[in-house]
This record gives sequence, structure tokens and C-alpha cells, in this order.
Amino acid sequence: DSGVTQTPKHLITATGQRVTLRCSPRSGDLSVYWYQQSLDQGLQFLIQYYNGEERAKGNILERFSAQQFPDLHSELNLSSLELGDSALYFCASSVTGMNTEAFFGQGTRLTVV
Amino acid sequence: SQELEQSPQSLIVQEGKNLTINCTSSKTLYGLYWYKQKYGEGLIFLMMLQKGGEEKSHEKITAKLDEKKQQSSLHITASQPSHAGIYLCGAVSGGSNYKLTFGKGTLLTVNP
Repeated sequence: DSGVTQTPKHLITATGQRVTLRCSPRSGDLSVYWYQQSLDQGLQFLIQYYNGEERAKGNILERFSAQQFPDLHSELNLSSLELGDSALYFCASSVTGMNTEAFFGQGTRLTVV
Repeated sequence: SQELEQSPQSLIVQEGKNLTINCTSSKTLYGLYWYKQKYGEGLIFLMMLQKGGEEKSHEKITAKLDEKKQQSSLHITASQPSHAGIYLCGAVSGGSNYKLTFGKGTLLTVNP
């Protein structure tokens, strides 16, 4: 158990819908990362937060947004869902987010039908 | 942006054999991470390397970051079926870019 908690574990939803994925970082970690993993694209960096502020942005679609709350948990919002958004979404956390060990949650498997 | 290339893409070995997986970066590495993933599951942190020439070991797995800090190798000694999985290297870009990006992974199969 890495100490990073992601909910839900599985999500099935229809095209056009909106979903929210939640991540609780390890105790003491201030930084949260979000990733998307699909068979053809591998593990893609989406966005990183540090202590509530956005620190780095990757290939995140405009339909996707995220935030980190004062209690340090983070949410990834995916809207206007398309079939191609079906993937595993991972959250990771680390103490500072810069050259410190990063630990991953078990992921949320999103299926868009 | 930084790109990480892993080789080989896949590897099949007999139990008890040694093996090496490589990770090459297009830019200087400021932090190199190795993870293991079982299909469809979360990534398990193995180790992190920062200094050129640094070498770390965990059980039968050893990772090294070369002096020029653009390549890392992961070596498994006397492989076991429990070592099977996908090995991913990840790296932090330098400067103000804090992205932790990953290679495409190496799929390891260990036959008993």
C-alpha cells in the first residue's frame, strides 16, 4: 500500500458526461501529479500541483481540469467525455514534487461507452 | 521536452538469469525514477537516483545513473517469476519544468 488513495476504482459512463476522480495523497506530501495511461499512449503526464497551486502542465485536454484543495486532496474533472478518454487515471504524490520520491495510487479505470 | 527511451521494449528470460533494462534520456537527468507495474495496477516505486555515478540496490535489483547523467540501467540478478511486470523509468526535467515524465516501459516475462 503506497498510502495514496484514489476513488473510485472503476467508473463506467456514457459519452458526453462529466466525471470527477479523487486523490488523497500520502500524509505529509504536498505535491500531487495526475497521469493518464492507455495502451497506445503509455503513461502521459497531465498536471501537477504543489500545496494548492498548479506547478506543471502536460498534455491535458481543455475538457479536463484539476485542482488541489486546502486539505491537499486533489480532484481531476473530465467533461464532455469521448470514447478515447477511456483509460487508467493515476494520481501520485510526493513531499515537494521536485526530486523527491513519488508514490502512485492504484488508479481509476474509466470506461466511456 | 524531455524524452525517455527504454530498451528493450520487451524481454523474456528463464528464471535464474540476469537481465538489464536501459533508459536513455534526450536531456540531462536531474532525477531518475524506476517503477514496476503489474498490468492494470498501480506503479510500485523501486528507487530514485540523482547523482551521476550513483548506484542503488533493493533486494536483487540494482539501478545506476551514468556519470553524464543521460542514461540509467536497471539490473536484475537471478530473476524470479515475481520480477515479471512492466518496468518504467521516469525523469524530472531541469530548470523550472517540474514534469515527471515516463518512458514507454519494458515488459519483462520470467519463465519458470
